[in-house]
Amino acid sequence: IAGITQAPTSQILAAGRRMTLRCTQDMRHNAMYWYRQDLGLGLRLIHYSNTAGTTGKGEVPDGYSVSRANTDDFPLTLASAVPSQTSVYFCASSVQANTEAFFGQGTRLTVV
Amino acid sequence: AQSVTQPDIHITVSEGASLELRCNYSYGATPYLFWYVQSPGQGLQLLLKYFSGDTLVQGIKGFEAEFKRSQSSFNLRKPSVHWSDAAEYFCAVVLYGGSQGNLIFGKGTKLSVKP
Repeated sequence: IAGITQAPTSQILAAGRRMTLRCTQDMRHNAMYWYRQDLGLGLRLIHYSNTAGTTGKGEVPDGYSVSRANTDDFPLTLASAVPSQTSVYFCASSVQANTEAFFGQGTRLTVV
Repeated sequence: AQSVTQPDIHITVSEGASLELRCNYSYGATPYLFWYVQSPGQGLQLLLKYFSGDTLVQGIKGFEAEFKRSQSSFNLRKPSVHWSDAAEYFCAVVLYGGSQGNLIFGKGTKLSVKP
């Protein structure tokens, strides 16, 4: 089934540890995004990539990094996790920038 | 600053009643507009979108939305709510021609449906 796959589904992580959230899409979309969702704050953009090989910072990029080595994959890395990074993380993709985005099922991350 | 406002945090309606969820945006130009729905524990699903043309757009699950340029609004409506519509609804915009191109979301409106 075509779509976006995120892994893991959930994770409990000790503070200070490094963690990579995986995101893969098979729709050949050019643009990909990482959002975090927190109660009362909605979805906030962390990083984005308009095309393979390029990335950009969103609204809340601090503490996160991304790479876009190819069209399909867009991993999000927390270099040294902190409790404030406890959140639900959503990966999304769109055919190109400025069009509707399709979302994965999310990764629930708890940093303790 | 560019922003999207959903004034209602939580709305409760009776099953069979009509529904209107409000969304206002603050941009210098007309953006592309979207409504998404999120069921508990799930990702976001696109309900409908407006790019141009007819200002009343139809979406899935019986939803519609009307773009009003003069009011900078894009309100979501449904004539008769079903219990399965209970979810959180997000309005989102993307600025046409923007180099970043990412969706900016409102904070969401949670819909509860009374039997």
